[in-house]
Amino acid sequence: ETGVTQSPTHLIKTRGQQVTLRCSSQSGHNTVSWYQQALGQGPQFIFQYYREEENGRGNFPPRFSGLQFPNYSSELNVNALELDDSALYLCASSPGAAYTLTYEQYFGPGTRLTVT
Amino acid sequence: RKEVEQDPGPFNVPEGATVAFNCTYSNSASQSFFWYRQDCRKEPKLLMSVYSSGNEDGRFTAQLNRASQYISLLIRDSKLSDSATYLCVVTPRYYGGSQGNLIFGKGTKLSVKP
Repeated sequence: ETGVTQSPTHLIKTRGQQVTLRCSSQSGHNTVSWYQQALGQGPQFIFQYYREEENGRGNFPPRFSGLQFPNYSSELNVNALELDDSALYLCASSPGAAYTLTYEQYFGPGTRLTVT
Repeated sequence: RKEVEQDPGPFNVPEGATVAFNCTYSNSASQSFFWYRQDCRKEPKLLMSVYSSGNEDGRFTAQLNRASQYISLLIRDSKLSDSATYLCVVTPRYYGGSQGNLIFGKGTKLSVKP
């Protein structure tokens, strides 16, 4: 167990709705990254938060947004859900400072989102 | 061209076989390299980091060739428990913006049969 938890485990939403996914990072970790993993694909980087600030973003539209809280837990919000948003959403926490180049990321179990 | 490309698989091998996974990456400035393992419907877990000098962990050996932008993973004496998807991962060089994100290949599925 990595100590990274995510909620909910599974979620079913309708196209056009909004969703909030939550992540609690491992104790002592100040950096959280979010990834989207579609079926049969590798995870794709959405964005990263370091000490409550966004610290990098992948190729995802603005309807994907996030927050990090003072306790370093994090939320991923997706507005105007589309069918293609159906995927496993993974968060990963890490202990490194924002500008550490090599550090291990510890993944949570993920939230499986289905959009119908 | 995808940033990280892996053998499409799947690989179906008998117990005890040696299996090799290959991976290439497109960004010559990539900084760090890893192999992750992902069991069915679970999260990815770090298997091992990959260094230019090559590194070994028990039955697992990883190699990096920066000149060819090529990474490999060798599993010797494969076990049933090695059945999983193996993900090749690189990180970009830090440019002051997006950094530290992991760039994953699509993964190669391995099934080890009795």
